[in-house]
Amino acid sequence: DSGVTQTPKHLITATGQRVTLRCSPRSGDLSVYWYQQSLDQGLQFLIQYYNGEERAKGNILERFSAQQFPDLHSELNLSSLELGDSALYFCASSGLAGVGVAQYFGPGTRLLVL
Amino acid sequence: EDKVVQSPLSLVVHEGDTVTLNCSYEVTNFRSLLWYKQEKKAPTFLFMLTSSGIEKKSGRLSSILDKKELSSILNITATQTGDSAIYLCAVEPINSGGSNYKLTFGKGTLLTVNP
Repeated sequence: DSGVTQTPKHLITATGQRVTLRCSPRSGDLSVYWYQQSLDQGLQFLIQYYNGEERAKGNILERFSAQQFPDLHSELNLSSLELGDSALYFCASSGLAGVGVAQYFGPGTRLLVL
Repeated sequence: EDKVVQSPLSLVVHEGDTVTLNCSYEVTNFRSLLWYKQEKKAPTFLFMLTSSGIEKKSGRLSSILDKKELSSILNITATQTGDSAIYLCAVEPINSGGSNYKLTFGKGTLLTVNP
């Protein structure tokens, strides 16, 4: 158990809908990262927040957005869902900056868009 | 754009064998290379290798970073069926702010250990 929690575990929804994925980082970790994992693309970085502020963006679609709240939990919002958005979405967290600080992954949310 | 290539894509061995997994990378301003093990769900952290720590060992697992060749290997000795998993390699660059930054992952090596 990494200490990172994600809800829900599974989500089934229809095309065009909007969903929110939630992540609570490990106690004390200020950075939260979102990743998408699909069979063809592997693990892809989406976005990073550090202490409430967006720090880095990766391959995140405009239909997707995220935020990190004062209590450091984060939410990833996916809207106008398409079949191709079906994937595993992972949240990871890490502590303060510095060499030797790894990212720890949560259990993931499996999203299925029908 | 940062790039990570892992080989082989898939590997099947018998219990007790020793395996070597390969990872090569291209990254601007290298900071660290990480190995993760992914079984059914979340990747679990194995090792982080940096310029100041190019070799790590934990039990039957060990990893070496070759900064000159821009590569790393993960060795598993005396493999067990519980070692069956996807092994992911990732690199982390230094960003302008100096803080933790995104990881670029390889596609992984699927290791199957048969009894």
